[in-house]
Amino acid sequence: QKEVEQDPGPLSVPEGAIVSLNCTYSNSAFQYFMWYRQYSRKGPELLMYTYSSGNKEDGRFTAQVDKSSKYISLFIRDSQPSDSATYLCAMSEAGGTSYGKLTFGQGTILTVHP
Amino acid sequence: DAGVTQSPTHLIKTRGQHVTLRCSPISGHKSVSWYQQVLGQGPQFIFQYYEKEERGRGNFPDRFSARQFPNYSSELNVNALLLGDSALYLCASSFRSWGMNTEAFFGQGTRLTVV
Repeated sequence: QKEVEQDPGPLSVPEGAIVSLNCTYSNSAFQYFMWYRQYSRKGPELLMYTYSSGNKEDGRFTAQVDKSSKYISLFIRDSQPSDSATYLCAMSEAGGTSYGKLTFGQGTILTVHP
Repeated sequence: DAGVTQSPTHLIKTRGQHVTLRCSPISGHKSVSWYQQVLGQGPQFIFQYYEKEERGRGNFPDRFSARQFPNYSSELNVNALLLGDSALYLCASSFRSWGMNTEAFFGQGTRLTVV
């Protein structure tokens, strides 16, 4: 079983829809949670960075972390065609031997069509 | 401000050859990590360096090595290339190696093709 599970999709939605992306994980030591957006053949771009449980909002993006369920989500409101990309969740522990190692999900391919 | 820069952007090598990939972190960042991303998968952790010391190593063979220089730039070396080493190699920089302020920012990657 992978440490981080993410539905690879693909997910196709109409412009303006609310998109929900999620990941589950098994390592209870994960404390930092990130969402990255990756366009084809480019490096991942950091969208959201959160610590422990709770919600964080940034413009059209909202990240939620539920550590009790080992479940994280990213919501995209008013989705745009430019949001079409692969979305990666990533997690890291607070220290110890793993230091800042990020463990990624497989990525979800999102297409927003006009 | 310049982001993370990687060179070269593309590379084609033959099986058995050696390759060196380079990375310059964001100014002020002291931690550099390397990841391998195979098509259709999320990035896999290879190494992390902080203040010129190796702080973490992923599950990769000894053919993979890295180092960090006094200016915090880094090199990833891969010996005896295999076809399976074909991937996008990503460099990430962060201010610290763990705890707070560890947001990792990635470069555009080096696409390595082994033939």
